Amino acid sequence: DVKVTQSSRYLVKRTGEKVFLECVQDMDHENMFWYRQDPGLGLRLIYFSYDVKMKEKGDIPEGYSVSREKKERFSLILESTSTNQTSMYLCASSSPPTSGDPYEQYFGPGTRLTVT
Amino acid sequence: AQSVTQLDSQVPVFEEAPVELRCNYSSSVSVYLFWYVQYPNQGLQLLLKYLSGSTLVKGINGFEAEFNKSQTSFHLRKPSVHISDTAEYFCAVSDLPRFQGGSEKLVFGKGTKLTVNP
Repeated sequence: DVKVTQSSRYLVKRTGEKVFLECVQDMDHENMFWYRQDPGLGLRLIYFSYDVKMKEKGDIPEGYSVSREKKERFSLILESTSTNQTSMYLCASSSPPTSGDPYEQYFGPGTRLTVT
Repeated sequence: AQSVTQLDSQVPVFEEAPVELRCNYSSSVSVYLFWYVQYPNQGLQLLLKYLSGSTLVKGINGFEAEFNKSQTSFHLRKPSVHISDTAEYFCAVSDLPRFQGGSEKLVFGKGTKLTVNP
């Protein structure tokens, strides 16, 4: 079974604090993704990565950065949190179309971040 | 660019009734289509996918979906729902592979909340 794990299920932070959200997958997937999920807005892509050291901006990258130092690990960084970053954060991984199940994304359980 | 429209944001039904969750997509190329389910306070789980072949796709938990290329639809159905089917359901369409100039992302709809009442 593919496993995608996220470092925390729930986090509460104060405005201005730095936050690291970590995601680890055990299926040797090349592609990894970070989304945020808000009621009525669905999933919005923040950043994604095709390989180690690579990153691509998604639809809403402002206020976020990412790091991928190892293939299995993809971190989302909130340098200085604000209340409008209160959300559910979901990590996912997938194989490229030439291998495995094309495009199918496997999701972690999510981190619910509250910024006060 | 691909896009996905889920026509209903909320669908309430009674237990043992049939349900259809509607999904329309727009794409100028051949695509792969997915339905994911999210139970409360959990991540998304794949329900079913259409890659090629038969347009009727069967998934887990008794769900099925029909790919209709002419209507660009991929509606999800279940003939008899249970209380445990209460969840949010997301339809998604794939982008092109990178070697074809795409991003290999999935484009998601905004979700449909299915509530099954006793």
